[in-house]
Amino acid sequence: DQQVKQNSPSLSVQEGRISILNCDYTNSMFDYFLWYKKYPAEGPTFLISISSIKDKNEDGRFTVFLNKSAKHLSLHIVPSQPGDSAVYFCAAANFGNEKLTFGTGTRLTIIP
Amino acid sequence: NAGVTQTPKFQVLKTGQSMTLQCAQDMNHNSMYWYRQDPGMGLRLIYYSASEGTTDKGEVPNGYNVSRLNKREFSLRLESAAPSQTSVYFCASSISRPGEAFFGQGTRLTVV
Repeated sequence: DQQVKQNSPSLSVQEGRISILNCDYTNSMFDYFLWYKKYPAEGPTFLISISSIKDKNEDGRFTVFLNKSAKHLSLHIVPSQPGDSAVYFCAAANFGNEKLTFGTGTRLTIIP
Repeated sequence: NAGVTQTPKFQVLKTGQSMTLQCAQDMNHNSMYWYRQDPGMGLRLIYYSASEGTTDKGEVPNGYNVSRLNKREFSLRLESAAPSQTSVYFCASSISRPGEAFFGQGTRLTVV
């Protein structure tokens, strides 16, 4: 039972344009969401997070949007740069609970 | 500032052999985790430790044991390796739960 789903295994975007990565979840108990970025042969690195009391969080070129009624979150990268080419994982959890549940990842390729 | 250090980076085992994956963090984090990453499956939690002296099962604990040796170190042991345990293993730590987790570079394990 995949509680966090990333339905697009891959995405290609032109350099300078907006990249939008999507994530859906089924567990209504989740109240904290994170995005991680992973380069080949490296561990994931934290990118941005959002709690369920917000619907948007912004950090430089990265913005995460949360739609609780639709159980959907998205990561927007504007403008996209070649260094953004990586696999992006969304993750979800409850505050006070140790367990992060990860999605299967989306491979983003930025085309120069 | 090393962050999270995992050893070894690569390992090949024969079915039935045992081994221990080592993990150490120098960020004074309370929580530590072991994940495995398999193609199309995202990252799945094997075991976690909320504090020194405590460990709990994650999503896929069968075939593994862990030891939280002290606040810095959290090891993962395979007592009798099986081909199904071929995977990339990541150790992570975080200061809060759930919070931004810092990951090691991973151990690529092949069981033949």
